[in-house]
Amino acid sequence: AQTVTQSQPEMSVQEAETVTLSCTYDTSESDYYLFWYKQPPSRQMILVIRQEAYKQQNATENRFSVNFQKAAKSFSLKISDSQLGDAAMYFCAYSTTNSGGGADGLTFGKGTHLIIQP
Amino acid sequence: KAGVTQTPRYLIKTRGQQVTLSCSPISGHRSVSWYQQTPGQGLQFLFEYFSETQRNKGNFPGRFSGRQFSNSRSEMNVSTLELGDSALYLCASSLYRNTEAFFGQGTRLTVV
Repeated sequence: AQTVTQSQPEMSVQEAETVTLSCTYDTSESDYYLFWYKQPPSRQMILVIRQEAYKQQNATENRFSVNFQKAAKSFSLKISDSQLGDAAMYFCAYSTTNSGGGADGLTFGKGTHLIIQP
Repeated sequence: KAGVTQTPRYLIKTRGQQVTLSCSPISGHRSVSWYQQTPGQGLQFLFEYFSETQRNKGNFPGRFSGRQFSNSRSEMNVSTLELGDSALYLCASSLYRNTEAFFGQGTRLTVV
């Protein structure tokens, strides 16, 4: 079974600075998807960024980018120019390509609570 | 385009009762998955429906069941509620089974 580990229960960063959230995973598959989801106090899970394992290029979405190290099974999220609205729980998630969230569903890490200091 | 809609948003039930939660996926999406979120266990996969068929189920007892209708709307049912079933239940929809999931705002279930 796949596992996802987020070793930082909480992170704090000053507004406008850059922060990196860590995620490692374990799988025996060669092709899969990785995601970062954001869950603000409203509790709705919002997709931040997605990475396909077969792609070597790291995904980027505006201020959000990932550092995908397939051999190390590492998938970190970098948030540049942090804003107060970035404060939330961030979840790293894994999915097989056969289902994209289907067969075993998304496997989530425990989450990192990101605090933005004004 | 409307997002994923879950109803009700909040629910209080008594131990032993049963409950039904509803999820309307994004228009055109055919896959609906359900997750349970608790402080202790985090986010756990319950089951996935695609084309009105349950495709997979997570490690939950048979008290948890669901179904999907021809319009892709899905319902989740929990029978003989236990205190430990108190959780946020999240529904996610995907265009197909191998595409990214979009979540609803969840149903907060409290069992007393």
